[in-house]
Amino acid sequence: QSALTQPPSASGSPGQSVTISCTGTSSDVGSYDYVSWYQQHPGKAPKLIISEVTKRPSGVPDRFSGSKSGNTASLTVSGLQAEDEADYYCTSYAGSDNAVVFGGGTKVTVL
Amino acid sequence: QVQLQESGPGLVKPSETLSLTCGVSGYSISSDSYWAWIRQSPGKGLQWIATIYHGGHTYYNPSLKSRVAISVDTSQNQFSLKLKSVTAADTALYYCARGGAQWWLNYWGQGALVTVSS
Repeated sequence: QSALTQPPSASGSPGQSVTISCTGTSSDVGSYDYVSWYQQHPGKAPKLIISEVTKRPSGVPDRFSGSKSGNTASLTVSGLQAEDEADYYCTSYAGSDNAVVFGGGTKVTVL
Repeated sequence: QVQLQESGPGLVKPSETLSLTCGVSGYSISSDSYWAWIRQSPGKGLQWIATIYHGGHTYYNPSLKSRVAISVDTSQNQFSLKLKSVTAADTALYYCARGGAQWWLNYWGQGALVTVSS
C-alpha cells in the first residue's frame, strides 16, 4: 500500500477556513468510508478529530468537518483559531491485508 | 479514563530485536477494542505498524510483516510489540493506541523514543 497524498502545508488567517485534501486510490479511500483525521501538536500524541469520513468524536469542535468524493477525502477547518495550528494526518482502511495507510501529513499555519 | 503508557529500551543495537510494551489502565484489554502500534520517524509522518483485535486477530503493515509481532497479555492488561532485525531506519517515536476500529484510534500513549544505534 502507498501512503495517501496530502499537501505538505496549508494556511489561513484567524476566522477563515482551510481545507486539506487526502488523495488515495480505489483500493483505499475510494472503496471505504473508513477515513479518519488526526491533529498533532508539536511534542504531543495525535488526537482523533474525524472518524469514518464525517463523524466527530465527542469534544471535537464542529469547526472541524470531513467529506469524501471518489478517491479524495477532505478535512475543513472553519473559523480558524490559533490553537488549530498543528499537523493533520488522514488515514484510511486499505482492505487488502486489512491494512491501514496514513497520509504524509499537512502542516496548518494560522497567519 | 483510558490511559496507555509505552515502556521499553530506548536504545537498541542494529540487527537486534526491539521490544515495547503498552500498559493499559482504566479499560480492560480483553474488551471489544483494537489495540495498535504506530511509529513516527524524527520529523516525519505516521506509519501504522500493527493491530491486534479482541480475540487475538492480528493485522500487520505489509512492509513490516516479516519482522513484526504483536501480542496481548490479559493477565497484565497490556500488549506488546516485537520488531526484529532492526536498522537505523527503525529509529522512531513508537506510539501505542486503542480504537473502536482499525482506522480510528481515540486513545494514545505519549510515545516512546527508540533509537537504533551501536
